[in-house]
Amino acid sequence: NAGVTQTPKFRILKIGQSMTLQCTQDMNHNYMYWYRQDPGMGLKLIYYSVGAGITDKGEVPNGYNVSRSTTEDFPLRLELAAPSQTSVYFCASSLAGTETQYFGPGTRLLVL
Amino acid sequence: AQTVTQSQPEMSVQEAETVTLSCTYDTSENNYYLFWYKQPPSRQMILVIRQEAYKQQNATENRFSVNFQKAAKSFSLKISDSQLGDTAMYFCAFMIQRAGSYQLTFGKGTKLSVIP
Repeated sequence: NAGVTQTPKFRILKIGQSMTLQCTQDMNHNYMYWYRQDPGMGLKLIYYSVGAGITDKGEVPNGYNVSRSTTEDFPLRLELAAPSQTSVYFCASSLAGTETQYFGPGTRLLVL
Repeated sequence: AQTVTQSQPEMSVQEAETVTLSCTYDTSENNYYLFWYKQPPSRQMILVIRQEAYKQQNATENRFSVNFQKAAKSFSLKISDSQLGDTAMYFCAFMIQRAGSYQLTFGKGTKLSVIP
């Protein structure tokens, strides 16, 4: 049981490039989330999903897209990377909406 | 909107001593959850403890306990017998207990250093 896994661990992007951050969970959780953590701050919700095929915006969705084709996977897409997207990105999952969220190890993204 | 405030950016404690981290929150909701998460240098977010607002009894998990004061909107974390492995950032977080609302709102964190 690996829990929530994220790839890559670290990535440097040039302005305007695109990339996908991968997130997979093996706990059969229905709910999945993407957060970003800026230096010296707590986490802020980007997008979340309550099940396969269903996604919704969080607090800071601009510049990102998500999809949820399976229960296990919840990739986060950056289409045109900007320096403001330099951050650490965390994926999380929970069995239900009010259940405890379990986090992956994070992806550090640097946009130059 | 909900806000979470952690007024202590940094704290330190001697090994084996007790330390209390503060957290206050602001909400007009009556039903919600409160959490403390630990983030060690590895950056992994680890759940420390969870409290349901409808429960009057304070949650405990081994050396970790909370002092939940609903009227004062206060949710402090007490770490007893501090260990070197407790060195980490600690985040207080809040979630409304309502269908369709699943967002965790985090404070800015408290950096705790345990000194040998």
